[in-house]
Amino acid sequence: GAVVSQHPSWVICKSGTSVKIECRSLDFQATTMFWYRQFPKQSLMLMATSNEGSKATYEQGVEKDKFLINHASLTLSTLTVTSAHPEDSSFYICSADTSVTDTQYFGPGTRLTVL
Amino acid sequence: DQQVKQNSPSLSVQEGRISILNCDYTNSMFDYFLWYKKYPAEGPTFLISISSIKDKNEDGRFTVFLNKSAKHLSLHIVPSQPGDSAVYFCAARKKTSYDKVIFGPGTSLSVIP
Repeated sequence: GAVVSQHPSWVICKSGTSVKIECRSLDFQATTMFWYRQFPKQSLMLMATSNEGSKATYEQGVEKDKFLINHASLTLSTLTVTSAHPEDSSFYICSADTSVTDTQYFGPGTRLTVL
Repeated sequence: DQQVKQNSPSLSVQEGRISILNCDYTNSMFDYFLWYKKYPAEGPTFLISISSIKDKNEDGRFTVFLNKSAKHLSLHIVPSQPGDSAVYFCAARKKTSYDKVIFGPGTSLSVIP
């Protein structure tokens, strides 16, 4: 199956700093990438949909100025958590669409802990 | 309004027996359905999918059944193995528009040796 990577796999930062998470499709071109977050023992919550070369579409309740998404190429999307606070601590997962199948493939996730 | 529902938050099954995970959806526009398996602190892994033009798709130990009239699908795992213990997410999308995938809340499966 298609491979999606995320970097870093975990990050600890101080409150008020910004953190960037990268999502890459390694063996396919992804016109659309998705960003999710998951709180403990809860389902995946879609945060935003990102299309290459255009602005991301954010889900209701997600602050676009806090969670900056850039989809610079067909293989890379980045999520920047700006001025992170402890309540932003979560597990962030990206996924990518392939035009070959109708399946989304997920990255391994990034654990963010804000102190 | 939850468009994809998994009413059983957890399920325990004896090793070697069949595991049946259920999923219901409300949006009749959905025409492609997926099952993902997720271990803690990892991203979901794609398991199997089914298009709305089919009523069954099989891949090894995994079979997905779709009942469009009832807006219901199920994942059968047989025989169940301890390594199958994980959270299983049912998901749905509108295939033709490459729309976002909508996930259910997940069912935690425990396979007891």
